[in-house]
Amino acid sequence: AQTVTQSQPEMSVQEAETVTLSCTYDTSESDYYLFWYKQPPSRQMILVIRQEAYKQQNATENRFSVNFQKAAKSFSLKISDSQLGDAAMYFCAYRSASGTYKYIFGTGTRLKVLA
Amino acid sequence: IAGITQAPTSQILAAGRRMTLRCTQDMRHNAMYWYRQDLGLGLRLIHYSNTAGTTGKGEVPDGYSVSRANTDDFPLTLASAVPSQTSVYFCASSGTFSGEQYFGPGTRLTVT
Repeated sequence: AQTVTQSQPEMSVQEAETVTLSCTYDTSESDYYLFWYKQPPSRQMILVIRQEAYKQQNATENRFSVNFQKAAKSFSLKISDSQLGDAAMYFCAYRSASGTYKYIFGTGTRLKVLA
Repeated sequence: IAGITQAPTSQILAAGRRMTLRCTQDMRHNAMYWYRQDLGLGLRLIHYSNTAGTTGKGEVPDGYSVSRANTDDFPLTLASAVPSQTSVYFCASSGTFSGEQYFGPGTRLTVT
């Protein structure tokens, strides 16, 4: 069975600085999707970035980028020029590209942004 | 309606009562999901449906049931609520080929 591990329950970053959130996963599949979701205090789950496993190029969305290491089964999220609005829970998630389309979520990392 | 709606937004329920959480999507997505979110445990899958007429069990299905009579609706029923079912419940959907999952705003349920 697939698993997703986020080993950092909480992280802090100074405003305008860069922070990296870690995520590792375990799977025997070769084709899958990986995601980072943001959950601010409003409770709404917001997709931050996604990565297809067959793509070697790391995904980037404005200030958010990932470091996808398929062999190491690692999928970290880098937030550059951190802003107060980035403060939230961040969840890493895995989904197989075939089969039942179930998603597996990590336990989350709470990011605090210090002014 | 735009996206996924859930009702109610919050509810306090006496133990032993029956409760149905409603979820409706207007994106014509094939797959729908129910999660519960508890502090320190992230999101755990309760039940899912890959397409109308089919359902499957997730990680924590006990005490919950679902049905998928059509593409848009995916209600979650607690037949006899217990305090351990106090949680925030999220409904989600995905187009099976896009990979991306869309979430509703959540229902906060308290069982006393």
